[in-house]
This record gives sequence, structure tokens and C-alpha cells, in this order.
Amino acid sequence: QVQLHESGPGLVKPSGTLSLTCSVSGASIASYKWWCWVRQSPGKGLEWIGEVYQTGSTNYHGSFKSRVGMSIDRSKNQFSLELTSVTAADTAVYYCARDRGNNAFDVWGPGTVVVVSS
Amino acid sequence: QSVLTQPPSVSAAPGHNVTISCSGGPSNIGENYVSWYQQLPGTAPKLLIFDTSQRPSGIPDRFSGSKSGTSATLHIAGLQTGDEADYFCGTWDTNVFAGRMFGGGTKLTVL
Repeated sequence: QVQLHESGPGLVKPSGTLSLTCSVSGASIASYKWWCWVRQSPGKGLEWIGEVYQTGSTNYHGSFKSRVGMSIDRSKNQFSLELTSVTAADTAVYYCARDRGNNAFDVWGPGTVVVVSS
Repeated sequence: QSVLTQPPSVSAAPGHNVTISCSGGPSNIGENYVSWYQQLPGTAPKLLIFDTSQRPSGIPDRFSGSKSGTSATLHIAGLQTGDEADYFCGTWDTNVFAGRMFGGGTKLTVL
């Protein structure tokens, strides 16, 4: 059974960089195509940030395109998110998820809270 | 504000049926698959429906999905108290590069 788990700092200073890692267990990260990041701001809905393919190619939502980066490390069975120039508006629960195809996210990590504050 | 519009809340009594709508446009729901997610308080979303009407293994057949034109619907039959949660629809927009999107979510209250 595939499981995902997010890790990274829970507090980031304004204008800093948010860095998160998603560890994949129960399957090889190379056995599925797309791995994604989704966030949920307090009391709000879900927001898709972007995706990284098993080969390392990426697609990002236009809202984040200028300050987001994603990568995959097949040797560690992990993929990562970096979001630069963060503000309080980036405070959210960040989830990593697997796309089983046709935009259906079938495996999710438990989520990690990131607060942007000085 | 999401491109996919869901009612903020719905409610019904245990044992009753309920539907949750997700309204979009021709380039998203109109021509792409829709997925539905259940989010219990304090937990990650859980996939309920994929490819508009398919259920992952382990999801009861009380949950079903459909689509007509530019709107999709999640149907929940025989409501249980454990169904009280937030529900989100999701799809992508063909006219927007990397245009994956979610609805704003619907809070289901089981009275």
C-alpha cells in the first residue's frame, strides 16, 4: 500500500523559501507518472500548486509559476517542493499526492502545516 | 474564487439521499473527467469518485457520480452520520496550461 508523508519546517519567515519533501513508501516513485502538491489555506478550499513527472519534468499552476520549483529524487523515493518569496498568504496545510491519471489524486499524505510569520 | 462552483453547504437527515453539484464550463467539466473528494475534519482529502463516475476500491456504492453538460453531481444515498464532511470536485481546464482545479467545497451536515 502506497503511503506519502510530507516533511519540512513548519515556520518560514516572510520573503523566505518554503521547502518541503514528500517521502513515498510502499511503491517505487518511478512506477507512477505524476506526483503533485496541493495546499489548503485556513478555512478554504484546495489549491493545486503543481506536479512533477517521474522523469523530472514539471508543470506549475500559473499563480505560482514564477516562484515555484519541484523536483524528484528516485534514489531516495522522494519528491520536493520549493516556494520562494513567501508571504502570509502562503500559510496553509500542504499536501503531497499521487495522480492516478485524469486528474484523480488517489493517495495523499497527511498534510503538513506551514506558517509564514516573522 | 474557484472556477468550479459548489454550494457552500447542504444538509439532510440520516437515511436520506443528497446531491452535491459542481458547476463549471465547456473547457473544464464540459470536456474532461471529474473527480470527487471527501475531507473529514482534520484529515487529508480522500478520493471518492474518479473518471466522473468510477469508485476506487473500498468506496461504498452509496457514493456515485454523474455529469451533464458543464455540471457534475455527487450522489450520496442512505446518509450516515459518518458522511458529515467537506466534499470537493476536481477537474482540469483544457484551455489553461496546467489548469488543474478544485471546486470551493461543500460542507455536508447530517442532521
